[in-house]
Amino acid sequence: AQLVESGGGLVQPGGSLRLSCEASGFTFSDHYMDWVRQAPGKGLEWIGRTRNRANSYTTMYAASVKGRFTISRDDSKDSMYLQMNSLRPEDTAVYYCARLERDGSSYYWYFDLWGRGTLVTVSS
Amino acid sequence: DIQMTQSPSSLSASVGDRVTITCRASQTISSYLNWYQQKPGKAPKVLIYAASSLQSGVPSRFSGSGSGEDFTLTITSLQPEDFGTYYCQQSYRTPLTFGGGTKVEIK
Repeated sequence: AQLVESGGGLVQPGGSLRLSCEASGFTFSDHYMDWVRQAPGKGLEWIGRTRNRANSYTTMYAASVKGRFTISRDDSKDSMYLQMNSLRPEDTAVYYCARLERDGSSYYWYFDLWGRGTLVTVSS
Repeated sequence: DIQMTQSPSSLSASVGDRVTITCRASQTISSYLNWYQQKPGKAPKVLIYAASSLQSGVPSRFSGSGSGEDFTLTITSLQPEDFGTYYCQQSYRTPLTFGGGTKVEIK
């Protein structure tokens, strides 16, 4: 099982960028998928989630990105996307996609698979 | 949002030492607590989920305990490969939140 992010790079403040996360080696459509970011030298910050088809592909976001970032997925391509608009310098970070796993039939969710991340730098 | 506070923020220990990292939630989160290890330049890796369940493939020297607001990650006999930063994370409620991290160095 593997996740590979792409699409990072240098963008000016106010600009846009679209990240991709391509999955392989597992049934992508079954899983909830999240984005987590990490600013340089800082800790981990959850950005948001897309649920699976069984849960209507609903999405949720952290307050820091709500209204600016949009998460989507295409199960036919085993891929998830993060559309980032109105980017700010404080959005500079490594962006990870991560698979959510659940312990049996419980509600104990955890990230059991991560990509290597893609760096987004917002600077003029 | 649920705040997660880890302590210490860093520690240095010798091979074979017992190491304990604590994590406190700003409100009760039952056992919805996960622990991750992150090495420089790498993605995090889950060690413990549901406060005390060992992820498959993780060495048994790692263990987790606690419920409610207070949690502990213990490494019973520190090994050279255990360097890195350790994060707790609550999955009780969105937004998911992480602790600030504990950097573990090997003396």
